[in-house]
Amino acid sequence: SQQGEEDPQALSIQEGENATMNCSYKTSINNLQWYRQNSGRGLVHLILIRSNEREKHSGRLRVTLDTSKKSSSLLITASRAADTASYFCATDSSGGYQKVTFGTGTKLQVIP
Amino acid sequence: GAGVSQSPRYKVAKRGQDVALRCDPISGHVSLFWYQQALGQGPEFLTYFQNEAQLDKSGLPSDRFFAERPEGSVSTLKIQRTQQEDSAVYLCASSLVRGVAHIQYFGAGTRLSVL
Repeated sequence: SQQGEEDPQALSIQEGENATMNCSYKTSINNLQWYRQNSGRGLVHLILIRSNEREKHSGRLRVTLDTSKKSSSLLITASRAADTASYFCATDSSGGYQKVTFGTGTKLQVIP
Repeated sequence: GAGVSQSPRYKVAKRGQDVALRCDPISGHVSLFWYQQALGQGPEFLTYFQNEAQLDKSGLPSDRFFAERPEGSVSTLKIQRTQQEDSAVYLCASSLVRGVAHIQYFGAGTRLSVL
């Protein structure tokens, strides 16, 4: 079963626009991570945010976490065609070892 | 090695055949995970190793699925008597840290098609 649900399922934007993806999860977490997957490839880690953090930045990426609403958002600013990929959130349960549970993903298409 | 390596990249099996999928994790990484990814879905956890110990196999869908990591490095996922519903991409990931969730490094996956 998948802990997280991403919203929207698919997103198509023009190059240069911002892209926002949301993730909702069900149980308490220690950390939340975002991963990217290009077609036919493995997942690549983008950013990790801990449960006691509210916002984190990495280059053109901005992640927010609201533990009261059990939700997170990933913002990609000034998108590029190379950002075209599927994006997944992954959560680990409080008290867990390293097992993470992935969401269903958002498929992002950036049109040049 | 430079990254997580999986082989083969593609595998076509006839229903009922046994298959073995290999994962070479990043050297020195303690933790190793196997995931199953159906088309259009996120990866689903199958099993977790810490060194050679299989600490969690709760995600293995049936007793036809078996994983091992005998020397704490290379791992093999074996599927016996394959069924059509086993068709999916099988992803392997490794992680340096144990005990707490940390960054996982993924291989490119093995795409299994069962005819």
